[in-house]
Amino acid sequence: DAKTTQPNSMESNEEEPVHLPCNHSTISGTDYIHWYRQLPSQGPEYVIHGLTSNVNNRMASLAIAEDRKSSTLILHRATLRDAAVYYCILRDPGGSQGNLIFGKGTKLSVKP
Amino acid sequence: DTGVSQNPRHKITKRGQNVTFRCDPISEHNRLYWYRQTLGQGPEFLTYFQNEAQLEKSRLLSDRFSAERPKGSFSTLEIQRTEQGDSAMYLCASSLLRTGETQYFGPGTRLLVL
Repeated sequence: DAKTTQPNSMESNEEEPVHLPCNHSTISGTDYIHWYRQLPSQGPEYVIHGLTSNVNNRMASLAIAEDRKSSTLILHRATLRDAAVYYCILRDPGGSQGNLIFGKGTKLSVKP
Repeated sequence: DTGVSQNPRHKITKRGQNVTFRCDPISEHNRLYWYRQTLGQGPEFLTYFQNEAQLEKSRLLSDRFSAERPKGSFSTLEIQRTEQGDSAMYLCASSLLRTGETQYFGPGTRLLVL
């Protein structure tokens, strides 16, 4: 799986939008972009994934650059409960490996 | 609650002892994964099963580690002759094999080896 690069940490104010960037310049044509987050003392939690088009769900939006070399996870209104480590992961569903390859992710702090 | 449960949630043991962890995945999920996470790091893959078959093992999975999924449902991870370096959070995840599959993680078992 190709590598991703994320900032180590970001801060946000409560009820403001948050844009979490991820660079993946070596992404292949079959790699999906997945985002997971991990709240303190919990296992990782799926957030969203996409291939080429922007995606929305109840938790977040995923904006994918036209060349797919970067993407941004958007939390529209951050809450204190969104404070977590956010992981951007590339995964080829047709690849031999089933596992996710986690980096260190971005630690998001949300201030009241 | 994702539907994936792990037991125990915490385990303290002395160096040299054996420990066993259990994971109960979401019932219809045919894939089950084990990961290990140390402080400040992202989870690292250990091994995974498709139904009862263990399809892949990481280099992290030394010969002291063994995992089973005997009937394609729950899984156990055993660590023999524990070492202090085994102290970590052990995470289990399950998924349904399909394109873009989502993995659902359990709460983890935190192991402390004294």
